[in-house]
Amino acid sequence: DSGVTQTPKHLITATGQRVTLRCSPRSGDLSVYWYQQSLDQGLQFLIQYYNGEERAKGNILERFSAQQFPDLHSELNLSSLELGDSALYFCASSPRLDGYEQYFGPGTRLTVT
Amino acid sequence: GENVEQHPSTLSVQEGDSAVIKCTYSDSASNYFPWYKQELGKRPQLIIDIRSNVGEKKDQRIAVTLNKTAKHFSLHITETQPEDSAVYFCAASKIGDSARQLTFGSGTQLTVLP
Repeated sequence: DSGVTQTPKHLITATGQRVTLRCSPRSGDLSVYWYQQSLDQGLQFLIQYYNGEERAKGNILERFSAQQFPDLHSELNLSSLELGDSALYFCASSPRLDGYEQYFGPGTRLTVT
Repeated sequence: GENVEQHPSTLSVQEGDSAVIKCTYSDSASNYFPWYKQELGKRPQLIIDIRSNVGEKKDQRIAVTLNKTAKHFSLHITETQPEDSAVYFCAASKIGDSARQLTFGSGTQLTVLP
């Protein structure tokens, strides 16, 4: 157990819908990273928050957004869902800004039908 | 940006044999190289990492070596066991005082045959 929690574990929804994925980092970790894992694209970095502020952006679609709250939990919002958005979404946390020692949560499996 | 290539994509070894997975990176400024193990349907788990100021690091049956000149690093697993079967990912980043993301390789499916 990494100490990072994610909810829900599974999510099944229809195209065009909007969902919110939640992540709680390890105690004391200020950085939260979101990754998407799909069969064809591998593990792809989406976005990083550090102590409430967005600090780095990767291959994140405009339909996706995220935020980190004062209690350091983070939410990833996915809207206008398409079939291709079906994937495992992981968050990872780290005590530092620079990506050192990232610990992954159990992931949320999103299925868009 | 950084690009990480990982080989082989699949690897089968007999129990007790050694396994080696290799990665190359493109950005000579990268200085942090973690390895993650991911079992089917589970989270990637950090198993070992190395910084560029050392050439080798060991943790029981697992070791990582780094060749900065050639820009490649390798994961070595000795005395493999069936529970080592998983997908292994290498990654690279530049740690320091600014925001950095990990760039992952494409993964190696390791199968340890009993």
